[in-house]
Formats: sequence, structure tokens, C-alpha cells
Amino acid sequence: EAEVAQSPRYKITEKSQAVAFWCDPISGHATLYWYRQILGQGPELLVQFQDESVVDDSQLPKDRFSAERLKGVDSTLKIQPAELGDSAMYLCASSPTVGGYGYTFGSGTRLTVV
Amino acid sequence: AQTVTQSQPEMSVQEAETVTLSCTYDTSESDYYLFWYKQPPSRQMILVIRQEAYKQQNATENRFSVNFQKAAKSFSLKISDSQLGDAAMYFCAYRRESGNTPLVFGKGTRLSVIA
Repeated sequence: EAEVAQSPRYKITEKSQAVAFWCDPISGHATLYWYRQILGQGPELLVQFQDESVVDDSQLPKDRFSAERLKGVDSTLKIQPAELGDSAMYLCASSPTVGGYGYTFGSGTRLTVV
Repeated sequence: AQTVTQSQPEMSVQEAETVTLSCTYDTSESDYYLFWYKQPPSRQMILVIRQEAYKQQNATENRFSVNFQKAAKSFSLKISDSQLGDAAMYFCAYRRESGNTPLVFGKGTRLSVIA
């Protein structure tokens, strides 16, 4: 069964350092999402890509977060500098372009900022 | 903006019994999709069941079924014959039908299954 790949699975970083997460969506899924999930809460959208274009990044803290999907396939989410409040699970998901389907989620990257 | 509310932070159920998780949502749209996702501890989020708003018939997937009340904007999940493996966080989610819009999630309900 096709999967959304994410790495690393866990990341511990010091405050003010840079950190990056990688996601490879299901082949053929044009839409890719990055969500942030604080412990005990539901996921919240950070950024949505359609192919290589950003569709929605209204909730992305652009002073420290950046996201790219250069060739419309895999994607990288970066935080620089990391802050204590960034500790969370970062989930990547992909979906077909249209249709009432749910997403397929990756296993996530659990970030701890110390 | 659409919102999803799960009013039960935690629920518990005896093994083999039935439990219902509640979800309400707010939208001005008439066409949309609703989902329940399961997230076991330290594992990825998986789709349990989905419902198209235009369908009056409630969706069913094996032991999982929903009670969709469009007028009341209510979408509850019923788990029958609960199993230990059902223990997880359950998230209700909404998605507009038009365009390629993101899922909006509730805060989740933590379900414990007691042997």
C-alpha cells in the first residue's frame, strides 16, 4: 500500500537552531499539506501545495518557517530559528487533486526544542 | 470559517461494548465531507470513515458507523464491539466539497478501552 514518507521520525534541537523536515507524498498526489499538531490537540494546517505552488500558507509563521516543493514532488519544511513553542508533531499528508477523499498521512516528525 | 467541535476530551468503554463519540461542526456550505480519523499512540493518523453531506444514508465500515444529522450539524461516531486496538485519539474533520480545500480538525477525543 502506498505511503507518505516522512523523515526524521524524531528530532531534538536546541532553541535558536535550524531544523528541517522532509516529506515524500504518494506518487501522483498533486496536493501536499503540512500540519502541526501540538500534544493533545488536533492538527492545524501550516501550508498547502498544489504541485509546486503554495495554495495556502496563511497560518505559516513566515518569520521563522519556510516550506518548498520545488519539483512538485517531495517537500521540505524548515524552521529557523527554532523556539520552545515549536515543539510539536509535524504531519505531512497528500491527497488527489479533487474529490472528497480524506488524506493519507505520514507518520510525522516529533520535534522537541530544548 | 468552518469549525469542528469535539466536546468529549476523553471517553472510556468496556471491551465488547458500544461507544459513541460526538462531533459538531459549523459551516455555511451545503456540500462538504466529514471524516473520522484514528490516531493510535505514536502512530500515524488513519481514516476510519467518511460521509458525503449530500448522502442521507449514514456511512458504515464494519464495526464503525456514523450518525449524520445535517440540519443539526452533528456527526457522531459509533464503535460497536469495542476492541483493545480501538484505543486511540479520534479526530473529527471537515472538508468543503468545492475546490481543493484542507481538512479542518476538531481537538480530538481520547478513547480508552477497558479489558
